[in-house]
Amino acid sequence: AQSVTQLGSHVSVSEGALVLLRCNYSSSVPPYLFWYVQYPNQGLQLLLKYTSAATLVKGINGFEAEFKKSETSFHLTKPSAHMSDAAEYFCAVSGAAGNKLTFGGGTRVLVKP
Amino acid sequence: NAGVTQTPKFQVLKTGQSMTLQCAQDMNHNSMYWYRQDPGMGLRLIYYSASEGTTDKGEVPNGYNVSRLNKREFSLRLESAAPSQTSVYFCASSEKSSGNTIYFGEGSWLTVV
Repeated sequence: AQSVTQLGSHVSVSEGALVLLRCNYSSSVPPYLFWYVQYPNQGLQLLLKYTSAATLVKGINGFEAEFKKSETSFHLTKPSAHMSDAAEYFCAVSGAAGNKLTFGGGTRVLVKP
Repeated sequence: NAGVTQTPKFQVLKTGQSMTLQCAQDMNHNSMYWYRQDPGMGLRLIYYSASEGTTDKGEVPNGYNVSRLNKREFSLRLESAAPSQTSVYFCASSEKSSGNTIYFGEGSWLTVV
């Protein structure tokens, strides 16, 4: 069984400030971990993924995430928010034995000028 | 560069009507999925198909049926629509060789009145 918890359904940041989105997971097998972004009225786009290689994963648009096994966390960060980062972000986990993704509830990011 | 294509994009149904959501992928992926997205609940898996000819229930299968017509196509059918099935539906596909990354369609907005 696997599950994902995203802390905070809404996050508001100022343009240029740090973006930090929290994700904790549980998995009975070594996990594959993903962050997806969804812009309004669109599908989900992969930001980055962890697949048991480097624990610090760099993704598109300046985002990165760090896998911490001891904390069962995979938090997403971006040093400096841009207006175009306003979107909903989903953390997801997949067991190594299969491809099914379990998603967190999502975090909507608002960027203030 | 079609990826995952799903139709229709928007649909309004009356309670009790039936309809089928169509999905096709051109990436030669073995696995295909149907998710529904509801506010605050992330994406929940309805059905998935690990390969042509196989289908399995996900987290929320009640009220739905699926058909994996061939490797490319995976349809979702609502036999008797209910207001609780008002949602955004996403078709997706993946392949283990691509590191379990799941690719999503643009979504189908379904309203049941």
